[in-house]
Amino acid sequence: RKEVEQDPGPFNVPEGATVAFNCTYSNSASQSFFWYRQDCRKEPKLLMSVYSSGNEDGRFTAQLNRASQYISLLIRDSKLSDSATYLCVVNDYGQNFVFGPGTRLSVLP
Amino acid sequence: DGGITQSPKYLFRKEGQNVTLSCEQNLNHDAMYWYRQDPGQGLRLIYYSQIVNDFQKGDIAEGYSVSREKKESFPLTVTSAQKNPTAFYLCASGGTATNEKLFFGSGTQLSVL
Repeated sequence: RKEVEQDPGPFNVPEGATVAFNCTYSNSASQSFFWYRQDCRKEPKLLMSVYSSGNEDGRFTAQLNRASQYISLLIRDSKLSDSATYLCVVNDYGQNFVFGPGTRLSVLP
Repeated sequence: DGGITQSPKYLFRKEGQNVTLSCEQNLNHDAMYWYRQDPGQGLRLIYYSQIVNDFQKGDIAEGYSVSREKKESFPLTVTSAQKNPTAFYLCASGGTATNEKLFFGSGTQLSVL
């Protein structure tokens, strides 16, 4: 079983749509959680950390459900510039970062 | 500016040749990492180091070697034993406390001639 799994994608949505990405992780002892964004042939960049109480940053909302070992990312009012691959990252104790395979998003005009 | 610098951006390797990818950071991070990314795939950990003069194998260390003689530097050598080296290589650094994030260099695309 893969340690971090994500929606396989790709997601093709029109501008202005709301899109949700899902991620599950297998290690119940995981300590911290992140969403990264990666453009084609570029390095991943931190989009947001994910906190137990859930957190929001503008159009982006992240949720964590530790009991279900599930993380989500919601993007509201999608922009063309949101087109990218979204990586779910889980950090086990001891700085072991585990990356999901990513979900590609294309926002269409 | 603080950050992580990888070089070169593009690198070509001949068969049987060892090549070294550079990674330097001035973020004062203790931990540094090397990842490999194949097209359409996620990141796979090659090696990581949490302190100077110490490093650990990741999931796909075979055919690679590293050194950590300075806190700022974590070079990766792709040896001739790595039979399929064509990939995008990413270096990252981070702190060692809980909830520390990873920061990435801009990557090196390695191709075989």
